[in-house]
Amino acid sequence: DVKVTQSSRYLVKRTGEKVFLECVQDMDHENMFWYRQDPGLGLRLIYFSYDVKMKEKGDIPEGYSVSREKKERFSLILESASTNQTSMYLCASSLLVRQGLFFGSGTQLSVL
Amino acid sequence: DQQVKQNSPSLSVQEGRISILNCDYTNSMFDYFLWYKKYPAEGPTFLISISSIKDKNEDGRFTVFLNKSAKHLSLHIVPSQPGDSAVYFCAARGTSYDKVIFGPGTSLSVIP
Repeated sequence: DVKVTQSSRYLVKRTGEKVFLECVQDMDHENMFWYRQDPGLGLRLIYFSYDVKMKEKGDIPEGYSVSREKKERFSLILESASTNQTSMYLCASSLLVRQGLFFGSGTQLSVL
Repeated sequence: DQQVKQNSPSLSVQEGRISILNCDYTNSMFDYFLWYKKYPAEGPTFLISISSIKDKNEDGRFTVFLNKSAKHLSLHIVPSQPGDSAVYFCAARGTSYDKVIFGPGTSLSVIP
């Protein structure tokens, strides 16, 4: 079974803090994704990566950056957290799209 | 502008009956479509996918229909069970790499 592990289930941070969300997958998948889920808006793509050190902006990259130094790890960075970044963050990985994306359990981030 | 739309935020169905979840898209270049199910506090789980060159794909109780000319797809669940109660997301693969875009979701309630 594919396992996608997100480092924290719940996180509370202060406005202006630098926040790191970590994601690790164990199936040697090429593609990794970061989404955020907000009520009524569904899942919105922040960034994705199709290879080590390669990244592409998604639909809402502003205020975020990513890092993929190793194939199994994809990190999402909030350079200076703001209250509108309070959300559920979901990491996913995939090999072939027709097989689906495999998601982690999510990190509920609250920025106060 | 949302490229993947799910116009019904919620749906209630009696146990044993058919559930039909609908999805519309705007980008004719999408080449793969996926459906996901999500329970609260968990990551989405992959249900079924369909290539744009097909019009139907079936897996057990789940069938996805694609109407390319109408840019419309639907997920049929037969028979519906209480455990199917969840939020269902429609998703599509974009034109670059394996970028996957999600709709806002439909909350399905199956009433015993």
